[in-house]
Amino acid sequence: GENVEQHPSTLSVQEGDSAVIKCTYSDSASNYFPWYKQELGKGPQLIIDIRSNVGEKKDQRIAVTLNKTAKHFSLHITETQPEDSAVYFCAASLGGSYIPTFGRGTSLIVHP
Amino acid sequence: GAVVSQHPSWVICKSGTSVKIECRSLDFQATTMFWYRQFPKQSLMLMATSNEGSKATYEQGVEKDKFLINHASLTLSTLTVTSAHPEDSSFYICSAQTGTSPNEQFFGPGTRLTVL
Repeated sequence: GENVEQHPSTLSVQEGDSAVIKCTYSDSASNYFPWYKQELGKGPQLIIDIRSNVGEKKDQRIAVTLNKTAKHFSLHITETQPEDSAVYFCAASLGGSYIPTFGRGTSLIVHP
Repeated sequence: GAVVSQHPSWVICKSGTSVKIECRSLDFQATTMFWYRQFPKQSLMLMATSNEGSKATYEQGVEKDKFLINHASLTLSTLTVTSAHPEDSSFYICSAQTGTSPNEQFFGPGTRLTVL
């Protein structure tokens, strides 16, 4: 089955800095890669996703890049703000009705 | 966007009792719903997948007699933790998929279960 590795487990940055979270996956057939943000005591919320026919996708301060050859994808957050502090999960799936496999999560702390 | 609710948001119960958690898709019909368990500072662990009108598919190691799942309609799935024990204390999260965006999962806010 699919295996998703996520790094780092904890990331601490100063407000205004950029943050990068990286994930690798094992199944080359995976074609859908969502990122979720989970605030304390809440369920995960989809913040951005990318499909395998696209190399990069951007939404305001958030961007995701995908390298299919190397089987890794990354989340980039620019101009970080304290409200960006949360746990971020990457995931990979085969698409369709297949269930995503989640990474172990990255706790992002943005210091004001 | 698609909204998924869960009820209750938190529950405390005595050991040996059963607890029911509801998951509802509020503005869409969910062809498939999922139940996850999450321990503190850990990732999501898929427990089971349920489709409306059929039996749930449980992940390996998850006791189906312990965690009863019913998906009675396209907008409601329930998870019942039977004869709960302290080791069942956890954060339970449901998610739902729509037929129009099959890849996307919309998560509920979670239910914190504490068994005394």
